[in-house]
Amino acid sequence: DAGVIQSPRHEVTEMGQEVTLRCKPISGHNSLFWYRQTMMRGLELLIYFNNNVPIDDSGMPEDRFSAKMPNASFSTLKIQPSEPRDSAVYFCASSYPQGGADQPQHFGDGTRLSIL
Amino acid sequence: ILNVEQSPQSLHVQEGDSTNFTCSFPSSNFYALHWYRWETAKSPEALFVMTLNGDEKKKGRISATLNTKEGYSYLYIKGSQPEDSATYLCAFIGYSNYQLIWGAGTKLIIKP
Repeated sequence: DAGVIQSPRHEVTEMGQEVTLRCKPISGHNSLFWYRQTMMRGLELLIYFNNNVPIDDSGMPEDRFSAKMPNASFSTLKIQPSEPRDSAVYFCASSYPQGGADQPQHFGDGTRLSIL
Repeated sequence: ILNVEQSPQSLHVQEGDSTNFTCSFPSSNFYALHWYRWETAKSPEALFVMTLNGDEKKKGRISATLNTKEGYSYLYIKGSQPEDSATYLCAFIGYSNYQLIWGAGTKLIIKP
């Protein structure tokens, strides 16, 4: 079975550029989560969607970050404009059923983002 | 503020020895506790989801117990192997918002 698929795996770009990270959740999962991993803060939840609707975006660092889920099989996390402090590994995870409260989250392989 | 604490922060264990570490979480509004294993350069992988006080779950040499009244869970690894080296994360979910509150993890290093 295909797991959570993230692209790209690595992204290196210059400060000020727009960055778009993509995620395809596991088919049938109705909750999707975006996380950021840094050395300083560990794993941080940025935003999560339930049935394609954003439920809580309080973890999104600032207005430069935005996330969308236009349908059940695709989500994007966009950073515009990007800054060096955005450099991190970004994970997408999905779960079933709603909110994943008593179901495990399945993580993608992550996107390693470096902003120069 | 909900806090999930894991201890110790890191642990060096000799191959073949057994070990355990702790996850502490708020004892009120408990809904579920998750354990994940996170190998370096990989993504977190779910080990257990525990919901009932007194729950004990097992997967091979790894097992976990849950005490929701006092707010702690133990993860045990029997006969540690080098492939057990990873960071072990726990995450708490309460009835208040159904979101995972993550601990900082216990980094386990198995010495051959």
